[in-house]
Amino acid sequence: QSALTQPASVSGSPGQSITISCTGTSSDVGGYNYVSWYQQHPGKAPKLMIYEVSNRPSGVSNRFSGSKSGNTASLTISGLQAEDEADYYCSSYTSSSTLGHVVFGGGTKLTVL
Amino acid sequence: QVQLQESGPGLVKPSQTLSLTCTVSGGSISSGSYYWSWIRQPAGKGLEWIGRIYTSGSTNYNPSLKSRVTISVDTSKNQFSLKLSSVTAADTAVYYCARFSGYYYYFDYWGQGTLVTVSS
Repeated sequence: QSALTQPASVSGSPGQSITISCTGTSSDVGGYNYVSWYQQHPGKAPKLMIYEVSNRPSGVSNRFSGSKSGNTASLTISGLQAEDEADYYCSSYTSSSTLGHVVFGGGTKLTVL
Repeated sequence: QVQLQESGPGLVKPSQTLSLTCTVSGGSISSGSYYWSWIRQPAGKGLEWIGRIYTSGSTNYNPSLKSRVTISVDTSKNQFSLKLSSVTAADTAVYYCARFSGYYYYFDYWGQGTLVTVSS
């Protein structure tokens, strides 16, 4: 069982917006602004899409945005495109040193209808 | 542009030791406050953090694997390595190396991943 909870799947039609949630606790998501999001296409390595809750690395489309409220972080993808179909993982700093102060979500499969 | 590349055997027999190396290019493994990490992903499953090393040699391991894992670094070759002993079929997975920011707690560069199958 993953430390952070994500929905197993979400779907949307091209052009629509979708949001993927990532729920943790006050010891991780809620307590720190170190939430990151990764996109993983089949057979490929994860790619950093968002860091520090809402920052985009250079080269990542501004259709991707991140936010946080309480113990839940969210990744929103606007103007859905077929190429956005992938698995998405959230990660957060945690005060627990057990796993090197980092925890992952279980992943969400995004299907573009 | 930093790049990471995993290398090592794709097939390991049960009870033997899995050994992988990650070669870093486009930057020095010794520069900045980065941890060099190993993460694995069984087929159809999520990401599992294995452990990491700082260039000082300081390491952190996943407690569930700690008794079997060793991560080391060779700064002269700009490489870091993973050894996982006494492997079983449950260790079959795609293994990724990645750079982890110790300041902002994210993995910014990843290797392409290498599939390691444990089978006789």
